[in-house]
Amino acid sequence: DQQVKQNSPSLSVQEGRISILNCDYTNSMFDYFLWYKKYPAEGPTFLISISSIKDKNEDGRFTVFLNKSAKHLSLHIVPSQPGDSAVYFCAGGSQGNLIFGKGTKLSVKP
Amino acid sequence: DVKVTQSSRYLVKRTGEKVFLECVQDMDHENMFWYRQDPGLGLRLIYFSYDVKMKEKGDIPEGYSVSREKKERFSLILESASTNQTSMYLCASSLNPQGSEIVDTQYFGPGTRLTVL
Repeated sequence: DQQVKQNSPSLSVQEGRISILNCDYTNSMFDYFLWYKKYPAEGPTFLISISSIKDKNEDGRFTVFLNKSAKHLSLHIVPSQPGDSAVYFCAGGSQGNLIFGKGTKLSVKP
Repeated sequence: DVKVTQSSRYLVKRTGEKVFLECVQDMDHENMFWYRQDPGLGLRLIYFSYDVKMKEKGDIPEGYSVSREKKERFSLILESASTNQTSMYLCASSLNPQGSEIVDTQYFGPGTRLTVL
C-alpha cells in the first residue's frame, strides 16, 4: 500500500512558466513533508519542507502547499528554468523516518 | 554544509561476492539510513540506525546487513551479492531533533551505482 503517491510520472513545462508537482498521501500520522530534487547518477538534494501544522512554505522560486483535509501537497516552481529538469520526490516524515513517492520527472523546455 | 560521502560512485561485482558500501557524514548526525533506488520504484529503505551500534530493519532488509561502529560511519553489507541487487544505493543522515512536527531533514550522499554480474 503506497502511503505517498505521485500520480504523474512526468511533466513537461515551458521555461518561464509555472511547474506544479503534486503528491497525495494516506498516512495521517506524518508530521512533516519534504521535497527532493534528483539528477541522474546523483543523490537527492533537499529542496523545501513543510511541517504538518503549516499550510504553506516558500523559499525563493519554490513554494510548497499542504492541504491536510485533502491529504494533498504540491510544489510550485515559478518561474521554471531548464536547470530545474530533474526527478522530484515528495516524502512524508514522522519520528525521523521518511516514506517517499515514486517521483515525477520534470522537463523544462527552453 | 552537511556532507555525506560514499566510498564509491560506481562498483561492479560478481554474483556471490561480499560487498561493502561505506558512508560517512561529518555533521554529527544521530540518524543514518541506507536506501536503494530503482526506476519506477522510488527510494526504498533498507536499514537505518538511530545511534552507534543500533540498527533497525527498513522495508527491504533481506540480503543486506549493516554496521555502525562509529557515529559518523554507516556501512551496508551484501553478504552474497545477487543480480537483483544491481541498483543505485543511497546513504542519508539526519540530526534527529526532538519534538513532533519538527522537520528532520535527511541529507543524501552522491550514491553508489552497483552492478552485480
